[in-house]
Amino acid sequence: GQNIDQPTEMTATEGAIVQINCTYQTSGFNGLFWYQQHAGEAPTFLSYNVLDGLEEKGRFSSFLSRSKGYSYLLLKELQMKDSASYLCAVVDSNYQLIWGAGTKLIIKP
Amino acid sequence: GAVVSQHPSRVICKSGTSVKIECRSLDFQATTMFWYRQFPKQSLMLMATSNEGSKATYEQGVEKDKFLINHASLTLSTLTVTSAHPEDSSFYICSARGLAGVHEQYFGPGTRLTVT
Repeated sequence: GQNIDQPTEMTATEGAIVQINCTYQTSGFNGLFWYQQHAGEAPTFLSYNVLDGLEEKGRFSSFLSRSKGYSYLLLKELQMKDSASYLCAVVDSNYQLIWGAGTKLIIKP
Repeated sequence: GAVVSQHPSRVICKSGTSVKIECRSLDFQATTMFWYRQFPKQSLMLMATSNEGSKATYEQGVEKDKFLINHASLTLSTLTVTSAHPEDSSFYICSARGLAGVHEQYFGPGTRLTVT
């Protein structure tokens, strides 16, 4: 079967750095997305990785290792507005999005 | 970036009635529309996939007669929840995919359905 694992919840301090991990086992791989979702809102796109390595975009970076079935989202200089759920989604061989359950990130002052 | 709209954003209906939710791609042609449901503190659950002009493909466990999906044009898809029950109360999100495939997929703002 297809499976994506993320921690359920993480807590970090404003101004700090946090890394949210995602491991996956899917039928085929055509890329991995990270989305941010605030409560009561739809997901918004953060990043897309299809090749191994680190993609940096401002305060957010995303890393992928296809051989390990592993990705992480790195958030730097955390702000209170970063409190949200972060969803990892893998594109499988049928180009369908397989979703992780999401990681709820709590930022404390 | 591309915009996907949903209407209504919130709806409250009585048990037994039907509710229609519209999803529109505003500045691109959506060859495929996805309908998701999300319960509190859970991830998105794909309900069905629809391609313009053809019948929707429903995920296992989703009743096609209860959740009617119509994808009549390249910019509009509708989800009708028929004979709604309180357990249908949820956050419904549509996602539209353009010709570029998964790299051109955008989410609507969601519709909060409450069935009393």
